[in-house]
Amino acid sequence: QQQVKQSPQSLIVQKGGISIINCAYENTAFDYFPWYQQFPGKGPALLIAIRPDVSEKKEGRFTISFNKSAKQFSLHIMDSQPGDSATYFCAASASGSRLTFGEGTQLTVNP
Amino acid sequence: KAGVTQTPRYLIKTRGQQVTLSCSPISGHRSVSWYQQTPGQGLQFLFEYFSETQRNKGNFPGRFSGRQFSNSRSEMNVSTLELGDSALYLCASSPGGLGGKLFFGSGTQLSVL
Repeated sequence: QQQVKQSPQSLIVQKGGISIINCAYENTAFDYFPWYQQFPGKGPALLIAIRPDVSEKKEGRFTISFNKSAKQFSLHIMDSQPGDSATYFCAASASGSRLTFGEGTQLTVNP
Repeated sequence: KAGVTQTPRYLIKTRGQQVTLSCSPISGHRSVSWYQQTPGQGLQFLFEYFSETQRNKGNFPGRFSGRQFSNSRSEMNVSTLELGDSALYLCASSPGGLGGKLFFGSGTQLSVL
């Protein structure tokens, strides 16, 4: 029940395209859903986060869509750039800083 | 503002040894969490400290322990190292509020031979 399932495992997108990564969870106590971006040799960096009282949050080219009834949330990267090539992790927590992470998606944006 | 600092950056140990990893959080942050990252298991929560007290603990054996000092700096210790302990150990700090943003360091890459 603590798991967060993430797909796809890897994703290749052309420059300017839209990258979409999906996550699903089971634990209804989760109330905070962040996305992290990780480059090789670096720790994860917070990209954007959402709480279940809203269905969508947008920051620049990054948008989280949240479906509470389906227990799913997704990250959309608009106008994807080669610099966005990284590993992306969704995560969830229940009223605490203990995060449960998805398996990660390796995104490659071809020029 | 300086970020989360982890030392050492790389570490090579042999089975049976013990190791201590260090983490200096962002100034003013009172919560420090530790995560283990491996290709097979992904990112897994080890434990969290807040104001020198362990506030949360993951599902790791007792060989994994930690502590936090009065200046919020934290150390993580692994005793009797096993080959499977080879991983990137990440420290993250947050201001302390529950559900707050986590800021990660670059990690300590531990190799157990």
